Amino acid sequence: NAGVMQNPRHLVRRRGQEARLRCSPMKGHSHVYWYRQLPEEGLKFMVYLQKENIIDESGMPKERFSAEFPKEGPSILRIQQVVRGDSAAYFCASSPPGTDFGTQYFGPGTRLLVL
Amino acid sequence: SQQGEEDPQALSIQEGENATMNCSYKTSINNLQWYRQNSGRGLVHLILIRSNEREKHSGRLRVTLDTSKKSSSLLITASRAADTASYFCAVRNTNAGKSTFGDGTTLTVKP
Repeated sequence: NAGVMQNPRHLVRRRGQEARLRCSPMKGHSHVYWYRQLPEEGLKFMVYLQKENIIDESGMPKERFSAEFPKEGPSILRIQQVVRGDSAAYFCASSPPGTDFGTQYFGPGTRLLVL
Repeated sequence: SQQGEEDPQALSIQEGENATMNCSYKTSINNLQWYRQNSGRGLVHLILIRSNEREKHSGRLRVTLDTSKKSSSLLITASRAADTASYFCAVRNTNAGKSTFGDGTTLTVKP
């Protein structure tokens, strides 16, 4: 069973461009979470999605950021008009279905650099 | 905020010694997880302990949970240089799927 996949692993964008980060959860997992990590800090929750639904987006900036988890295909975190402050590592995690909030399995992350 | 907060921020020990890291939180939780992160890499899940559990073991790792004190500890016995990494605790409460992380403890194990 392959782990959580994220791509790209590294992404360089100029200010004002769009960044699209992809996450494929572990097989059978229907819950996806996105986190952001700044250097020397812990992970900060952004958004929690299930298939075709956003469950909790309390950590998402109000503007420029959006996330989706379609019925088919990976989850996408989209950042429009990137600014230098968006430079960070973005991690995706998945967990299996059901109400038992168990282990979250993390992907390797996408490191976004905004020039 | 129910953020997990690790203590100490940094820990340096010799190979073979034990390393203890602590985590405190503020509100009720469903479970608490410990993760390891090597520099520039993703998070590796170590142990999950539920609110009705007091202690769990996995190899050289021992995790305790004291819900009355809202704290947890991670003990790594007989440390190795390969244990050098940052260690994070993450708490999940009973009503949300998200995890709330602390800023981590940076462990350095000297050979």
